Amino acid sequence: KAGVTQTPRYLIKTRGQQVTLSCSPISGHRSVSWYQQTPGQGLQFLFEYFSETQRNKGNFPGRFSGRQFSNSRSEMNVSTLELGDSALYLCASSSGQGPYEQFFGPGTRLTVL
Amino acid sequence: QQQVKQSPQSLIVQKGGISIINCAYENTAFDYFPWYQQFPGKGPALLIAIRPDVSEKKEGRFTISFNKSAKQFSLHIMDSQPGDSATYFCAATAGRRALTFGSGTRLQVQP
Repeated sequence: KAGVTQTPRYLIKTRGQQVTLSCSPISGHRSVSWYQQTPGQGLQFLFEYFSETQRNKGNFPGRFSGRQFSNSRSEMNVSTLELGDSALYLCASSSGQGPYEQFFGPGTRLTVL
Repeated sequence: QQQVKQSPQSLIVQKGGISIINCAYENTAFDYFPWYQQFPGKGPALLIAIRPDVSEKKEGRFTISFNKSAKQFSLHIMDSQPGDSATYFCAATAGRRALTFGSGTRLQVQP
């Protein structure tokens, strides 16, 4: 099976812009979770989508949003970018049922200038 | 109460030695405890995981020890190899909710 894919791998944006990141989960997986990884805050949960519905949400401002499509692919959007949004954004795929194993993609490295 | 505390922050081990990383949690609702390995430029990779109904799980050179009463769990890497040099994260979750991660341990295995 192919693993989790994320596009793009690298992004450079300026403050105030918005960005959309994409994640394709492992075939057959219906749950997609997003995490932000920074040196200072570590790995922090953003939100989870299961069958096109947001099932869990972390403690991030409303500028961070996401959605999931019927083929389980997910997108994450960050509006009005701030310097502190520079991070590695990771997508994790899970079946969403039974044993809760999450498999991570390689991440998208976002740099905000 | 959602926090998972991980130690040490960094660890240097000689090739062939045992690497031990510890984690402690407060939330007694946690019911799944995975360990992830992350190499630079890569996403975290699931190594091994345990549920609180067992005290130990072993997969190859990797072993999780779990102490429910102390609310602690640890990762042991036997016969550590230079290829094991990476950052290791413990995590915990309750009821298939979000993973709460420890702060990470940077392991360096010297040849």
